[in-house]
Amino acid sequence: QITLKESGPTLVKPTQTLTLTCTFSGFSLTGSGEGVGWIRQPPGKALEWLALIYWRNDKQYSPSLKSRLTITKDTSKNQVVLKMTNMDPVDTATYYCAHRLCTGGSCYPDFDYWGQGTLVTVSS
Amino acid sequence: QSALTQPPSASGSPGQSVTISCTGTRSDVGGSDFVSWYQQHPGKAPKLMIFEVSKRPSGVPDRFSGSKSGNTASLTVSGLQAEDEADYYCSSYAGSNNLLFGGGTKLTVL
Repeated sequence: QITLKESGPTLVKPTQTLTLTCTFSGFSLTGSGEGVGWIRQPPGKALEWLALIYWRNDKQYSPSLKSRLTITKDTSKNQVVLKMTNMDPVDTATYYCAHRLCTGGSCYPDFDYWGQGTLVTVSS
Repeated sequence: QSALTQPPSASGSPGQSVTISCTGTRSDVGGSDFVSWYQQHPGKAPKLMIFEVSKRPSGVPDRFSGSKSGNTASLTVSGLQAEDEADYYCSSYAGSNNLLFGGGTKLTVL
């Protein structure tokens, strides 16, 4: 059974760096095709994909946020960490981590298991 | 502004069918086989309902179906049930390692 859980601060100040940790179980990020992504959702608004890290340590970032994002993994701890610099009130959102879909011998740019999400508020 | 365009709302009565559209461009929906749909109930994480345009993950009822024509993808929910009332988001791979989501559609079961 795959589970994921996000952790990190609930409140950050403008210009600070946000660090979020995704702790997962039920799979290993060393397995071929495996990946973990981050997606966020401002209150009452749409989902926005942020970043994805693969088992080979390849990384993908949203073009619009690439300069502010860093995604890393610690396979020994079953964790993925997302850092976002220069936080602004518009970055207030629920941040989700999610497991990349792999089925039938193929993998897809989709997410089949999600964490519960963590609400991050940016305010002074 | 979201990259993929969805109607803000849709509705139908129990037992009816409803279709939600998702319009993009040749660079994303029109040029990608990787179009997906997520269901999100209030306060909950999204749930993958359709991937690769029309495939259903294990456990998703066959009342949910997906299709695509040109730059527009569609999600059809047949035999509407009260539990289908939720927000629905489309997503599409957009090349250059970019993934886009739609603005979301609130489905109301009357």
